[in-house]
Amino acid sequence: NAGVTQTPKFRILKIGQSMTLQCTQDMNHNYMYWYRQDPGMGLKLIYYSVGAGITDKGEVPNGYNVSRSTTEDFPLRLELAAPSQTSVYFCASSYGRRTDEQYFGPGTRLTVT
Amino acid sequence: SQKIEQNSEALNIQEGKTATLTCNYTNYSPAYLQWYRQDPGRGPVFLLLIRENEKEKRKERLKVTFDTTLKQSLFHITASQPADSATYLCALDMSSGYALNFGKGTSLLVTP
Repeated sequence: NAGVTQTPKFRILKIGQSMTLQCTQDMNHNYMYWYRQDPGMGLKLIYYSVGAGITDKGEVPNGYNVSRSTTEDFPLRLELAAPSQTSVYFCASSYGRRTDEQYFGPGTRLTVT
Repeated sequence: SQKIEQNSEALNIQEGKTATLTCNYTNYSPAYLQWYRQDPGRGPVFLLLIRENEKEKRKERLKVTFDTTLKQSLFHITASQPADSATYLCALDMSSGYALNFGKGTSLLVTP
């Protein structure tokens, strides 16, 4: 199993551009999450999904959108990129809720200039 | 709102000693708490989970305690090794029950 994979690994965007961060898991997990991690800060939840077709906002959803059309994929869309979105983005998945460990991808380092 | 506090200063210890990391929380009573390890440039990796009705949990050289009265968890690494050097994150279940709320992490450096 590859686990959780994310693409791209690095990306530089100009202000106002848009892009999609890809996330795929092959563990048949129901729950998937997007976090951002700024230097010296904890992981902040952007969006999460409890299954295909079901998504909900986390702590910092503004400027982002998600969709979950399949169990495996959970892409994160950035519209009109802003410097404040410069961060490292992690996708994670878990089988269920609460007591289940989360499996994280390797991250995408995004710079908006 | 939920607040999680971990030592912001890095913890430096000598190889062979026991490292103890602290996670304090306020404004919530989590049903469980998790600890993750994060190496530079990589995603967090799950280490241990402890439930509110468990006082202590062990896994090899790792030990976690959970004191719901003090609202505190302690994470111990015994016989520490340089390979244990990393950032350690604690995470509590959010009130919604669907996701985790992570602390900022504590950096541990184990020197030979």
